[in-house]
Amino acid sequence: DGGITQSPKYLFRKEGQNVTLSCEQNLNHDAMYWYRQDPGQGLRLIYYSQIVNDFQKGDIAEGYSVSREKKESFPLTVTSAQKNPTAFYLCASSANQGRAFFGQGTRLTVV
Amino acid sequence: ILNVEQSPQSLHVQEGDSTNFTCSFPSSNFYALHWYRWETAKSPEALFVMTLNGDEKKKGRISATLNTKEGYSYLYIKGSQPEDSATYLCALISSGSARQLTFGSGTQLTVLP
Repeated sequence: DGGITQSPKYLFRKEGQNVTLSCEQNLNHDAMYWYRQDPGQGLRLIYYSQIVNDFQKGDIAEGYSVSREKKESFPLTVTSAQKNPTAFYLCASSANQGRAFFGQGTRLTVV
Repeated sequence: ILNVEQSPQSLHVQEGDSTNFTCSFPSSNFYALHWYRWETAKSPEALFVMTLNGDEKKKGRISATLNTKEGYSYLYIKGSQPEDSATYLCALISSGSARQLTFGSGTQLTVLP
């Protein structure tokens, strides 16, 4: 089945540690996106990529990093510089600015 | 930061009522507008992709209109049903070389039986 897969579903991190969230798609989409959702708020754009080996900062990129070495994969690293990393993270992909397809999300908790 | 605004933030309606929500965006940044439905414990799913001024899209009891010159879109639900309860998101794809997909904060709809 074609789709977009995020892992893990739940993730716990100690303060001061980096952690990487996985996002894989087999839809042959060029564009991929990472969003963050906090309670009572909408989806805020962290990073996005329109093509392999290229990506741009979104509205809240500080404390995050990404890579796009393969078309299928767009991992997000939450670094220790992110002051408030506890949130729900959603990955999405799209083709030619068409509708976006979303993963199931990763809930990150800092303990 | 692109400012995509949705109103109202939440809405309770009775089963059978018709309702509508608003999405506003900066018209100078317009490339395309999307509407999504996000049900609890699921991923957002696309309802409509709109690209042309005056576009009207329809899917069953749900329809949407677009005005790119004044920077707004309306989503309408006719004869609301409890299964329509969800958060409805609009998202702007910006013009320019970097096609950023920016979401509004959503309208949370609850349809009471």
